[in-house]
Amino acid sequence: EVQLVESGGGLVQPGRSLRLSCEVSGFRFDDYAMHWVRQGPGKGLEWVSGISFNSSNTGYAGSVKGRFTISRDNVKNSLYLHMNTLKTEDTAFYYCAKDISGELEVPESWGQGTLVTVSS
Amino acid sequence: SSELTQDPAVSVALRQTVRITCQGDSLRIYFASWYQQKPGQAPVLVVYGKNNRPSGIPDRFSGSSSGNTASLTITGAQAEDEAEYYCNCRDTSGHHWVFGGGTKLTVL
Repeated sequence: EVQLVESGGGLVQPGRSLRLSCEVSGFRFDDYAMHWVRQGPGKGLEWVSGISFNSSNTGYAGSVKGRFTISRDNVKNSLYLHMNTLKTEDTAFYYCAKDISGELEVPESWGQGTLVTVSS
Repeated sequence: SSELTQDPAVSVALRQTVRITCQGDSLRIYFASWYQQKPGQAPVLVVYGKNNRPSGIPDRFSGSSSGNTASLTITGAQAEDEAEYYCNCRDTSGHHWVFGGGTKLTVL
């Protein structure tokens, strides 16, 4: 069974940093691209970032480019999102999602999310 | 362009057919994916590509596309299909993904 478990969320002040993690199991992690998608309180889904199976290809939404960095450790079966210079508008549930393929195509299976609250 | 437009709300009578649409320039180039999200739960992929369903998704869900419009059709809607539905696609650059604003489906 595919499982994705996000962690690292919490309350953080504007301008500070946070690192989210996503531990996966139930599939061969190094065969698949991965995504981060967020959802603000009562709002719709927003794609944040994606990374290919071997980290050779990454992409970022314009709203986070230059502040967030996606990375993965294929030995630890883990995906990360390093978030710097956080803003109040970054407040959201952050989901990690497994792609259908090794390159960035379609987010398929999702975790349950971790809540990031940016507030002073 | 990086926008996908969905109707905010749609309703359907039980066991009837409903079509949820998504419009955007990038849909002329790329296929849409469709996600179902129920309150308090993570999204679930229901249709992707030309008309593909992940394992476990009932065959009453189907997808189609024409011009700048993608559609998700539920044939014989069930009470458990009441949810928010989001479309998703690459933008016209091909390097970013965008979601539609979501359509709240009510099954009457």
